[in-house]
Amino acid sequence: QSALTQPRSVAGSPGQSVTISCTGTYSDIGAYNYVSWYQQHPGRAPKLLIYDVKKRPSGGSTRFSGSKSGNTASLTISGLQTGDEADYYCGSFVGTNTVFGGGTTLTVL
Amino acid sequence: EDQLMESGGDLVQPGGSLTLSCSGSGFTFSYYWMSWVRQAPGKGLEWVANIRQDGSEKYYLDSVKARFTISRDNAKRSLNLEMNNLRAADTAVYYCAKENPRATFEIWGRGTVVTVSP
Repeated sequence: QSALTQPRSVAGSPGQSVTISCTGTYSDIGAYNYVSWYQQHPGRAPKLLIYDVKKRPSGGSTRFSGSKSGNTASLTISGLQTGDEADYYCGSFVGTNTVFGGGTTLTVL
Repeated sequence: EDQLMESGGDLVQPGGSLTLSCSGSGFTFSYYWMSWVRQAPGKGLEWVANIRQDGSEKYYLDSVKARFTISRDNAKRSLNLEMNNLRAADTAVYYCAKENPRATFEIWGRGTVVTVSP
């Protein structure tokens, strides 16, 4: 199972919005509404941001939102903050397990 | 508060063996699928293996099949990963993760470091 495709990096200014894409195929993202997104700060464990394409975990920030169209999922971060600088990973269910994207580094300029 | 804590990471020679453990607290361990996810130095996340609530189903990353074995002891709230015939490519931080819902990694441990080197 190949990894999902994410841009290596994105950037934005404080207060702006950015969108990170995650492209898969008809057998992963296109087949299931089980896409999740994770944030990882350097040296820390990943943290769940979004699951089932667009659901937020309890207590999750409303600045993070998810969507999907065909074989591509997207994470939008609104009202960028310096603390949002991190790596972001998408994941998709593929029948018995999860395949991840290669990760996107967000820089807040 | 749901928590996971891994242990067992170490420096091991190629071809060697190691067993990782993960202890869960703050939630009913036996209710959830559990997974191991790893991250090689400077690289992305890679799912390694998972196990059904009662241990009746187990799935593995192709590159670790026949070398790694996942198991759990619900009475002890523990998850294990037995790793044999280790390779340099297995060098990574290994995270234990609770799946909730299925295939969503809701809670992660802090990770344990496995280094495979002569």
